[in-house]
Amino acid sequence: SQTIHQWPATLVQPVGSPLSLECTVEGTSNPNLYWYRQAAGRGLQLLFYSVGIGQISSEVPQNLSASRPQDRQFILSSKKLLLSDSGFYLCAWSRQSYGYTFGSGTRLTVV
Amino acid sequence: QQQVKQSPQSLIVQKGGISIINCAYENTAFDYFPWYQQFPGKGPALLIAIRPDVSEKKEGRFTISFNKSAKQFSLHIMDSQPGDSATYFCAASSSGGSYIPTFGRGTSLIVHP
Repeated sequence: SQTIHQWPATLVQPVGSPLSLECTVEGTSNPNLYWYRQAAGRGLQLLFYSVGIGQISSEVPQNLSASRPQDRQFILSSKKLLLSDSGFYLCAWSRQSYGYTFGSGTRLTVV
Repeated sequence: QQQVKQSPQSLIVQKGGISIINCAYENTAFDYFPWYQQFPGKGPALLIAIRPDVSEKKEGRFTISFNKSAKQFSLHIMDSQPGDSATYFCAASSSGGSYIPTFGRGTSLIVHP
């Protein structure tokens, strides 16, 4: 069966510090991978998606970036965090079908 | 431009009651309509989904009703339980695109015991 792992679960970072969130998928190959952000009490905002290794599409211009160094690994990064980067970050995958499987999320607080 | 409009934003029902959440879409190319359930501090999980070739799909206490001509679909939760208290998102996607769904803004459901 397929599983998605996302870590860390919570993170408190100072303004201006770097960020690296990692997501890995097991039990499938060549998945579509996605990063979403969810502000408190708000909906789901698509940040990046990837249909293959090294292929990254950005939906929202900001100081975040994404990379896919391996088929089942998706990384969200920032060189310098802003207060506005606080939120709940979700990784998800799909297999050229319709349903998403989300990870358990990372609660990021920038202080 | 919001292509999937979800209402209400919040909903409070009593235990045993029926919870109804509605969504309307604009893009006629959408051909897959899932609902996701999200508990606090967790990622959303696929709850139930429907394709436009059927007007209703039922899984246990959860039913999707789909009206293609009106471009609307809804989630009905029968015999609502406190454990159903969560945020529900509707979504729509198209097989002609990249399968990326357009999500509604979410409905916070509280079921009182």
